Amino acid sequence: GAGVSQSPRYKVAKRGQDVALRCDPISGHVSLFWYQQALGQGPEFLTYFQNEAQLDKSGLPSDRFFAERPEGSVSTLKIQRTQQEDSAVYLCASSPKGYYGYTFGSGTRLTVV
Amino acid sequence: GDSVTQMEGPVTLSEEAFLTINCTYTATGYPSLFWYVQYPGEGLQLLLKATKADDKGSNKGFEATYRKETTSFHLEKGSVQVSDSAVYFCALISTGNQFYFGTGTSLTVIP
Repeated sequence: GAGVSQSPRYKVAKRGQDVALRCDPISGHVSLFWYQQALGQGPEFLTYFQNEAQLDKSGLPSDRFFAERPEGSVSTLKIQRTQQEDSAVYLCASSPKGYYGYTFGSGTRLTVV
Repeated sequence: GDSVTQMEGPVTLSEEAFLTINCTYTATGYPSLFWYVQYPGEGLQLLLKATKADDKGSNKGFEATYRKETTSFHLEKGSVQVSDSAVYFCALISTGNQFYFGTGTSLTVIP
């Protein structure tokens, strides 16, 4: 596609629910990144894939957060047993290689009530 | 560790005013520096970048110069327009592939 597509745009979850957020990167982009942007803050790194390999997951805040990219294209960020502090915008970005040509999606706004 | 500190907002300016948004950084190695802009309801868009000391990035009338001696990358524009109203983020990449962002500065330009 022309850009990085994320779905859903908005998600409201009750505390304790599991959620799955989807990212469709630009076709052919090798690198894929997830960021978390809390209200009034800058995005913070969560995890990085090169093709299907998750090379860095140092930013995942807890073991409730899990990301996958099984075929090296679409990625899913899953949050189990959501908590209020998980409320944020989750941004996905892709690039042809490393950080060159980084393109961000519009994000998924998650609200945990 | 790597970090970015940018000017607190919000900033409100009249159309055609001069804009400066301050940004300083701390990094290991030799970082690349970026300014991103986020319009309401949209994703982050790259505004400009500089990859080495003394480089000047520029785009759409915005400029920023990579100053290693002061570890700064201040964003400037000589004459802002209403359409420049957005949130601006300073960011760096150093030794890895992840960005480190500042907290963002909200700019509102009034006619």
